[in-house]
Amino acid sequence: GENVEQHPSTLSVQEGDSAVIKCTYSDSASNYFPWYKQELGKRPQLIIDIRSNVGEKKDQRIAVTLNKTAKHFSLHITETQPEDSAVYFCAAKWGNFGNEKLTFGTGTRLTIIP
Amino acid sequence: IAGITQAPTSQILAAGRRMTLRCTQDMRHNAMYWYRQDLGLGLRLIHYSNTAGTTGKGEVPDGYSVSRANTDDFPLTLASAVPSQTSVYFCASSDSGAGGEQFFGPGTRLTVL
Repeated sequence: GENVEQHPSTLSVQEGDSAVIKCTYSDSASNYFPWYKQELGKRPQLIIDIRSNVGEKKDQRIAVTLNKTAKHFSLHITETQPEDSAVYFCAAKWGNFGNEKLTFGTGTRLTIIP
Repeated sequence: IAGITQAPTSQILAAGRRMTLRCTQDMRHNAMYWYRQDLGLGLRLIHYSNTAGTTGKGEVPDGYSVSRANTDDFPLTLASAVPSQTSVYFCASSDSGAGGEQFFGPGTRLTVL
C-alpha cells in the first residue's frame, strides 16, 4: 500500500508570513495528490490538488509543488490570515484501476498568530 | 437533501452492541468512502465502494462491514462495538473515484463504553 508522512504536526506563524507543510509518499505509481483543510468541528474540504504531470499549481495564496523523483509534495500558503488556522491533510492516490484509494497524512495543525 | 448527510450526529454505545452509521448522498456520485478520524492519526480508510453493488476493504476494515445496494446509500455497520472503535466517522463521495475531489459528510461522533 501507500505510506504518506506529513510534517510538521503543528505549525505556528505570524499573520502575514508564509507557511509550508511537507509530505512524502512511498508508492512511485501514485499520480494524484490533494490537500484538505479541516476547520475546528467541521468536515475536511479540498483546497487544492496536483497531478503528477505538473510540478506546481497555484490558486491565489496557496500553491502546491510536487517532486516525483524525491516522492514529496508541499503546500505553501502565503500572506497568512487568521482564517487559515485549521488542520491540513495531504493525501496520495494509489491502487489498481478500479480500486484506487487515498491515503492521508496525519495532519498539520496550523495556527496563525495575529 | 443537499450533498452528503450522515446520521446520527453522535452516539454513545455500550460495548458489544450492534450499530449502523448511515450515509446518503444526492449527487449521484459513483464512489463512496468511510473514514475514521482519530487524534494524531489523521483520516484512515475503513471501506470503500467504487460503484453500486461493489465494496472494498481499506486500511482498517476489521470489525466493520458495509453494503452498497444503490448509488445513494452507503451504511457502515459495527457488528459488536468495542471501545477502540470510539472515533469520529466521516463518509465521503466522489464522482471520479479517488482521482478527484471527495466531498465529506458532517461526521458521526461515536463513543463506545
